[in-house]
Order: sequence, then structure tokens, then C-alpha cells
Amino acid sequence: AQSVTQLDSQVPVFEEAPVELRCNYSSSVSVYLFWYVQYPNQGLQLLLKYLSGSTLVKGINGFEAEFNKSQTSFHLRKPSVHISDTAEYFCAVSYSGGGADGLTFGKGTHLIIQP
Amino acid sequence: DGGITQSPKYLFRKEGQNVTLSCEQNLNHDAMYWYRQDPGQGLRLIYYSQIVNDFQKGDIAEGYSVSREKKESFPLTVTSAQKNPTAFYLCASSIGVTNSPLHFGNGTRLTVT
Repeated sequence: AQSVTQLDSQVPVFEEAPVELRCNYSSSVSVYLFWYVQYPNQGLQLLLKYLSGSTLVKGINGFEAEFNKSQTSFHLRKPSVHISDTAEYFCAVSYSGGGADGLTFGKGTHLIIQP
Repeated sequence: DGGITQSPKYLFRKEGQNVTLSCEQNLNHDAMYWYRQDPGQGLRLIYYSQIVNDFQKGDIAEGYSVSREKKESFPLTVTSAQKNPTAFYLCASSIGVTNSPLHFGNGTRLTVT
């Protein structure tokens, strides 16, 4: 069964500092990878996605992620965070040839921006 | 603007009562999903539907039921058989292929006492 691991449940960072949120997935031949953001009491919004092509993917709000097939990782980065980036971040995966049951999600990382 | 509407935003029920959560989408998506979110647990799939009049159990379907009579609508009923129903429930939709992202509603927070 497919799985996604977000090793850090919380990441505290000072405002304007860089941040990396880690995501690893269970290996498969071909994967599609996603990062979502969730603000309090709201649904999830798509930040970025990797389907194929360039391994560096740029998303909204200045975030980017790099697909690393050898390390089965898809870490999310931002060079300088803002207080408004405080939220829960979810990594998700689906597999080529997989079933019709949508995405498998990690347990989330709470990004806490300190002034 | 197209999107997914979940109602109500907050719902309170007494133990032993069934309750139905509404989910409507105007994105013309074929696939719809229900997830449950608990603190520190991520999102767990309850039910999904790829087409009208057809739906499949997800990882935690026990104590829940759904229907898909219209493409736009995918209501979720939390029955009295669900042992721990208090949670945040999220509805989502997608065009239905394996590389398509999910679009989410803003959720319904259900509290059962």
C-alpha cells in the first residue's frame, strides 16, 4: 500500500528565515506528488504538484518543491517565510495505475512562524 | 466561481442520532470524496464516488453511509453506529484520473455529545 511520511509534526521558524518541510513516500514506478496548505478551520488548498518533467516545481505563495526519485522525497521549501504562512501543510501522493480512491495524505506538518 | 460547498460549517448532535453532512460542487467533476480529519492523524478516506449511482468504501467507512444520486451532490450520513463521530469532515472532488489534484470544500466540524 502506498504511504506518505512527514517526519516533522511541527516546525517553528522565525519570520523571514528559510524553511524546509520534509516529505517521503513509499517507492513505486511512477508517482504524482502534491503539497496542500490548510489554514485554521478551512479546507485544503493546492500549493503545487509534480506530475512529470522538471524535478523542481514552483507553486503559489513563493513555495517550491523538489522531486528526488532516488531518495523518494518531495520536500517543500520557501526562502523567506511570512507570518501569514502559519498553517498546516500536507504532502500527498497518487500512483500511476493506482486505484480511483484519490490521494494518500501524510499526517501534516504545522508550520509556526515566530516574529 | 466554481467550487465545493459544505454545509453546515458547525454541527452539534446528541449521541445516538444520525446526521447528514451536505456537499455540493459546481466544477462538473466526476469524482467526489469524503475525508475525516482528526488532530495529528492527517486525512483518512471514508467514501469515494467516481460516477453517479456508484460509490466505494474508503479506509474508515464503518458507521458512515453516502449516496450519489446527482453528479453535483455527495451527502455523507454519520450514523449512530460510528463510535467516535466528533471530527472535522472534508469533502473533495476531482476530474477523476490518478494524476488530478483534489479540490476541497471548507469542511464541517461535527460535535457529538
